[in-house]
Amino acid sequence: DTGVSQDPRHKITKRGQNVTFRCDPISEHNRLYWYRQTLGQGPEFLTYFQNEAQLEKSRLLSDRFSAERPKGSFSTLEIQRTEQGDSAMYLCASSQGWNYGYTFGSGTRLTVV
Amino acid sequence: AQTVTQSQPEMSVQEAETVTLSCTYDTSESDYYLFWYKQPPSRQMILVIRQEAYKQQNATENRFSVNFQKAAKSFSLKISDSQLGDAAMYFCAYRSARTGNQFYFGTGTSLTVIP
Repeated sequence: DTGVSQDPRHKITKRGQNVTFRCDPISEHNRLYWYRQTLGQGPEFLTYFQNEAQLEKSRLLSDRFSAERPKGSFSTLEIQRTEQGDSAMYLCASSQGWNYGYTFGSGTRLTVV
Repeated sequence: AQTVTQSQPEMSVQEAETVTLSCTYDTSESDYYLFWYKQPPSRQMILVIRQEAYKQQNATENRFSVNFQKAAKSFSLKISDSQLGDAAMYFCAYRSARTGNQFYFGTGTSLTVIP
């Protein structure tokens, strides 16, 4: 068990470009979550998967954002046509069932210039 | 929507002393969970302690304990015998027992431990 892995650790992109982040959860965890954390704020919920099904999406997840979890394993979060306001830390977490604590990854820090 | 408020952006404590971090929350639900997470410079959120709202007894984990006041909607974290490794951002978080799909986090308290 190597914990929750996120890749890349840092990403700098120009405004208007597309970016994709990857999250590898703990292998036996069936639930996967994405959060966004901006400077000076706590993490905010973006979306959640149970196995491969995306069951909940926050209104923060605009139509430029898309998340997938094919085969219920790793997940990707894509942001199209990035804007400066997308600059943030994107955190992934996983859990086994809903009544268990989350295990967080170390996040991907996105900077849009 | 549930809200979580941490009114202390920064706190400091002398090594080996005790410090209390404050958290209040707003909810209309009766069954929920409360958490304290630690986020060191390495950025990974680490669970410090968890409290079920239906339990009257305050949770304790080694040097960490909470003071849970359900009627007042208050959930403070006490760190005893503070160590240099306790320096981090601390986030209070709420999760509904009914839906449980997301956490609501406060804005965090930055804790400095002075040697």
